Amino acid sequence: GDSVTQMEGPVTLSEEAFLTINCTYTATGYPSLFWYVQYPGEGLQLLLKATKADDKGSNKGFEATYRKETTSFHLEKGSVQVSDSAVYFCALSDQGGSYIPTFGRGTSLIVHP
Amino acid sequence: DVKVTQSSRYLVKRTGEKVFLECVQDMDHENMFWYRQDPGLGLRLIYFSYDVKMKEKGDIPEGYSVSREKKERFSLILESASTNQTSMYLCATSISTRGGDTQYFGPGTRLTVL
Repeated sequence: GDSVTQMEGPVTLSEEAFLTINCTYTATGYPSLFWYVQYPGEGLQLLLKATKADDKGSNKGFEATYRKETTSFHLEKGSVQVSDSAVYFCALSDQGGSYIPTFGRGTSLIVHP
Repeated sequence: DVKVTQSSRYLVKRTGEKVFLECVQDMDHENMFWYRQDPGLGLRLIYFSYDVKMKEKGDIPEGYSVSREKKERFSLILESASTNQTSMYLCATSISTRGGDTQYFGPGTRLTVL
């Protein structure tokens, strides 16, 4: 079956540091890939997505590139802010198959001033 | 924008009580989902529905039931609440049964069972 593996947290950074959160996946079909973010006390919301190989999703300074050859979708940001402190979930959904998505376990990011 | 609302942000119930959690969406999405979220375990799917009156079990349906009488409303029912059902409950929707779609989440209900 499909699976998503993302790095365990918490990831602790100082403001303006570079962020990478690793995400790798296994999929039987051709997936869409997502990053969702959950701010404290809230539900998840879509941060960015990519639907085909080599696509780059971007939003709010975050980027992730769909790498089919390495089955990865790593999240990056060049300069994090305190307000980026949240839990980040990598996920996939098979475009030709089940509409039930597969989520990673989430990575907590803590950014200090 | 899709809006998904949940009936309560915080709920405290006693063991053995019947608990209703409601989720309402304001778009015409076909699919609705209930997850629970626990530290270290991520999101786990309880039940989902792809149409009115249709429901399917997810990964952890034991102790829960659901109801979808109208397209916009999906209820999660704890028939007899237990302390191990203390958790954050998240409702989500997606537009169709075609794979690859974005999920839209409500704000969550933090349920404590005493």
